[in-house]
Amino acid sequence: EIVMTQSPATLSVSPGERATLSCRASQSVSSNLAWYQQKPGQAPRLLIYGASTRATGIPARFSGSGSGTEFTLTISSLQSEDFAVYYCQQYNNWPPLFGQGTKLEIK
Amino acid sequence: EVQLVESGGGLVQPGGSLRLSCAASGFTFSSYWMHWVRQAPGKGLVWVSRINSDGSSTSYADSVKGRFTISRDNAKNTLYLQMNSLRAEDTAVYYCARAGPDYGDYYFDYWGQGTLVTVSS
Repeated sequence: EIVMTQSPATLSVSPGERATLSCRASQSVSSNLAWYQQKPGQAPRLLIYGASTRATGIPARFSGSGSGTEFTLTISSLQSEDFAVYYCQQYNNWPPLFGQGTKLEIK
Repeated sequence: EVQLVESGGGLVQPGGSLRLSCAASGFTFSSYWMHWVRQAPGKGLVWVSRINSDGSSTSYADSVKGRFTISRDNAKNTLYLQMNSLRAEDTAVYYCARAGPDYGDYYFDYWGQGTLVTVSS
């Protein structure tokens, strides 16, 4: 079974700086990779699908890259509302599978 | 505006049953595959089940197979999850989620607010 590994588990970044989150798949998932943002007490929100396509209404400071087994979510200039937990999810292989999450916290 | 509103969660004893509902609005419900995803307290997201657009095909995570049943009523724009033989490890917030628009798009573009299921004696 495929394994999705996100790193780091926690990332401390100052507002206005860039954040880079990683997601690795144990086998190729092609470009079938999505990213979600989840704030405390809220449902997840789709940010990126197809590894690099922003979902409707997602600001341009969020970008996704990668294919195969290595993926990156970059937030170019962190705003206060961006501090949250981020999950990657592969949907190339059945069943859909999420990574364990990266908590992005204020430094 | 797409809206998904879950209901039916609550406290249930081990071995008991519960039926979750998810009322959909703001889109053509009958055109989309739908999923249930759960999240145990303080833990990550886990896919549970999916159903195709007309309800003729379903799939389940191994952890719930044989105990949970997903269904839908396209006339009522409602998704269901019948949960039987509940265990403590089923305790979680259950989200209904809409799949992407194309076949094979098993990512989730809209989510409900979630409903909490607690299995405890």
